Amino acid sequence: AQSVAQPEDQVNVAEGNPLTVKCTYSVSGNPYLFWYVQYPNRGLQFLLKYITGDNLVKGSYGFEAEFNKSQTSFHLKKPSALVSDSALYFCAVRDLSSGSARQLTFGSGTQLTVLP
Amino acid sequence: EADIYQTPRYLVIGTGKKITLECSQTMGHDKMYWYQQDPGMELHLIHYSYGVNSTEKGDLSSESTVSRIRTEHFPLTLESARPSHTSQYLCASSFPGHANTGELFFGEGSRLTVL
Repeated sequence: AQSVAQPEDQVNVAEGNPLTVKCTYSVSGNPYLFWYVQYPNRGLQFLLKYITGDNLVKGSYGFEAEFNKSQTSFHLKKPSALVSDSALYFCAVRDLSSGSARQLTFGSGTQLTVLP
Repeated sequence: EADIYQTPRYLVIGTGKKITLECSQTMGHDKMYWYQQDPGMELHLIHYSYGVNSTEKGDLSSESTVSRIRTEHFPLTLESARPSHTSQYLCASSFPGHANTGELFFGEGSRLTVL
């Protein structure tokens, strides 16, 4: 079985400061990991993904995430937050060894608020 | 941007009405999905399809039904809407075959309110 946890429901950060949104996962085999962002009254937008290779993944809008196999984490980061980054962020995982691998499993979401 | 469209974006209807939420994609994706999401909350998979004439129930039980008669079209139907069906419904699709890394492309969502 695959699962993903986002331990923080809410993250507040001042504009210009670095931000981190945490995600940990559990899979039987090797994971594919994803971050999505959702703005109010919109669908989810893909930010970045880890498939294989370099543990530091760069994505859209200046976001990046670091895959840490030993800690089973995939935290989302940005060096300097913008007010426009305020949104709901979802981490997702897919277990490659699950056989059907039918879909992603999403975390519960973290609401990021960047304060001016 | 992904070419996946949902209509209507917003719908307010009375209890007992039949409704259909439309979802279409022009990317040739074989896999399509319906998620239910309460505002600001996590997503729950309610239906998915691997291709034409293939539909499966998701993780969350739902009274809705789906059909997949054409690759590009994956409508969701509620025969008799109730206030408990009030939610946002998100449609998604993904690439076919071995190129599929699980990345999903989402529509903008349909927000349903049942009075």
